[in-house]
Amino acid sequence: EVQLVESGGGLVQPGRSLKLSCAASGFTFSNYYMAWVRQAPKKGLEWVATISTSGSRTYYPDSVKGRFTISRDNAKSSLYLQMNSLKSEDTATYYCARAPLFDYWGQGVMVTVSS
Amino acid sequence: DIVLTQAPLSVSVTPGESASISCRSSKSLLSSKGITSLYWYLQRPGKSPQLLIYQMSNLASGVPDRFSSSGSETDFTLKISKVETEDVGVYYCGHRLEYPWTFGGGTKLELK
Repeated sequence: EVQLVESGGGLVQPGRSLKLSCAASGFTFSNYYMAWVRQAPKKGLEWVATISTSGSRTYYPDSVKGRFTISRDNAKSSLYLQMNSLKSEDTATYYCARAPLFDYWGQGVMVTVSS
Repeated sequence: DIVLTQAPLSVSVTPGESASISCRSSKSLLSSKGITSLYWYLQRPGKSPQLLIYQMSNLASGVPDRFSSSGSETDFTLKISKVETEDVGVYYCGHRLEYPWTFGGGTKLELK
């Protein structure tokens, strides 16, 4: 059974950093692109980052480019999202998902950026 | 960026009846490989999104065949026949044609 389990969320002050993790199991992690998608409270879905199978290629929307970094450790079947210079508008539930279909999603982890 | 516009914002359906949701793209979603890069997701209340349809018309694993999708290069329709209680939630379309990947704003389906 495919499982994606996020961790690392919480309350953080504006301008500070936070790192999310996603532990994958039930499939050959190194064979798949992976992604992060977020959802602000009562809002729709927003793609945040994608990483290639080896980690050599990463992609971001302009809203997070230069502040967020996606990475992976294939030996640990783990995905990460380093979030720097956080803003109030980054407040959201963050999901990791198997790309490119987004056929599997984690349960999500809440990140609240507030002073 | 490719903009996906969904309509209606919400739809109220009697159980057993059908429902249709539209998704319109600002650009053709037909790739150079002949694949239409349009996906449909359902997010049930309090749950993570789940994949319903991939590449415009292919049913995802485990999704009942009451769900179907069709369209052209820019206009797409998700049809749900014989709506059931478990179909309640917000439906999103999304594309993977090029970066940035984007989603439509969502359509909320509720029961009458």
